[in-house]
Amino acid sequence: GDSVTQMEGPVTLSEEAFLTINCTYTATGYPSLFWYVQYPGEGLQLLLKATKADDKGSNKGFEATYRKETTSFHLEKGSVQVSDSAVYFCALSDRGDYKLSFGAGTTVTVRA
Amino acid sequence: DAGVIQSPRHEVTEMGQEVTLRCKPISGHNSLFWYRQTMMRGLELLIYFNNNVPIDDSGMPEDRFSAKMPNASFSTLKIQPSEPRDSAVYFCASSLALGAANEKLFFGSGTQLSVL
Repeated sequence: GDSVTQMEGPVTLSEEAFLTINCTYTATGYPSLFWYVQYPGEGLQLLLKATKADDKGSNKGFEATYRKETTSFHLEKGSVQVSDSAVYFCALSDRGDYKLSFGAGTTVTVRA
Repeated sequence: DAGVIQSPRHEVTEMGQEVTLRCKPISGHNSLFWYRQTMMRGLELLIYFNNNVPIDDSGMPEDRFSAKMPNASFSTLKIQPSEPRDSAVYFCASSLALGAANEKLFFGSGTQLSVL
């Protein structure tokens, strides 16, 4: 079945550091890929998405490129801020299905 | 827009008691999802409604769990009887239309359930 594997955390960084969170997927079709973010005490919010190979999703300084050849969708940000401290979830939806398959989540803490 | 509203935010109950979680989706959204989040299993989809009709309840753990959506603006998730292993954060989410690929999900703030 469809699944997502993302790097385990927690990840602790200093402000202005570079952040990468790895995400790889397994799917039978051509899935759409997402990153959701969960700030403390809140529900998940869509951060960015890509719907086909080589698409790049971007938002709030975060980027992720849909790589079909490596079945990956790694999340990157060049200079993190304390406010980026959150749990990040990689997810996929296959062929426009209503279901989202989530990864386990990666907790990121940014220190001032 | 008030977003997806869930109540209560926290619920502490004793094993064997009935628990009812409530959700008000964003007005105009016709898809509603209930998720459960635990450290061990991460985020699991429990049930999905479209236009108030349950489409997929394959994620509901067992008969102790039931969900209803009597109208477009309200849904409940009930656990009867509750057990300690039901302790988790339960999220409700809604979206405009069928197809998570094209429509982003809007999540509520969740209900933290503790069953003692």
